[in-house]
Amino acid sequence: QSALTQPASVSGSPGQSITISCSGSGSDFGGSNSVSWYQQHPGIAPKLIISDVYNRPSGVSSRFSGSKSGNTASLTISGLQTEDEAHYYCASSVTTSLVIFGGGTRLTVL
Amino acid sequence: QVQLVQSGSEVKKSGASVKVSCKASGYIFTNYDINWVRQAPGQGLEWMGWIAADSGRTDYAQNFEGRVTLTTQRSTTTAYMELKNLKSDDTAIYYCARGWRVKWFDVWGQGTQVTVS
Repeated sequence: QSALTQPASVSGSPGQSITISCSGSGSDFGGSNSVSWYQQHPGIAPKLIISDVYNRPSGVSSRFSGSKSGNTASLTISGLQTEDEAHYYCASSVTTSLVIFGGGTRLTVL
Repeated sequence: QVQLVQSGSEVKKSGASVKVSCKASGYIFTNYDINWVRQAPGQGLEWMGWIAADSGRTDYAQNFEGRVTLTTQRSTTTAYMELKNLKSDDTAIYYCARGWRVKWFDVWGQGTQVTVS
């Protein structure tokens, strides 16, 4: 099973909004809404920022939002801040024996 | 607070096995699953499998089937990941992560570096 497709890098200026896409085939998403997003700063474990397509865990900024349309999930970060600079990974839980991560997107805040 | 604390770095030779531990605290251990995810140097995340802390049920990613064994010890709220027949491309940081039926992973361990020479 191949990784989900994410852009290798995106960039934006402080205060702007950016969107990171996560694409796959229909089977990659298993017809379910078990899509999650993770933020990873260098040298630190990933952090869950979106679960079940659009749910934000407690403590995660409302500037992070998720959506899904067809075979593409998206993560939008509004009001970019310098601390948002990190790698972002999507994940799809296709079945209980198959979880596919995206290749990761490096976000640069200019 | 809820946390997962993993065992320290390991250096192994090709063909050997490694066993990484993940000590859970701050929550009811059997209410969640433990997943294992690895990250090769400069690469993305790769899911390896999960174990239900209540029943011991396991599911493994196809890439690791037959080489990885996940276990838990409920008395010490510790999960373990054993990877056998190590190869050089198993060199990676191995993370444990709390989840529920692989839908999401909300608490992560600090990671364990495994180096295969």
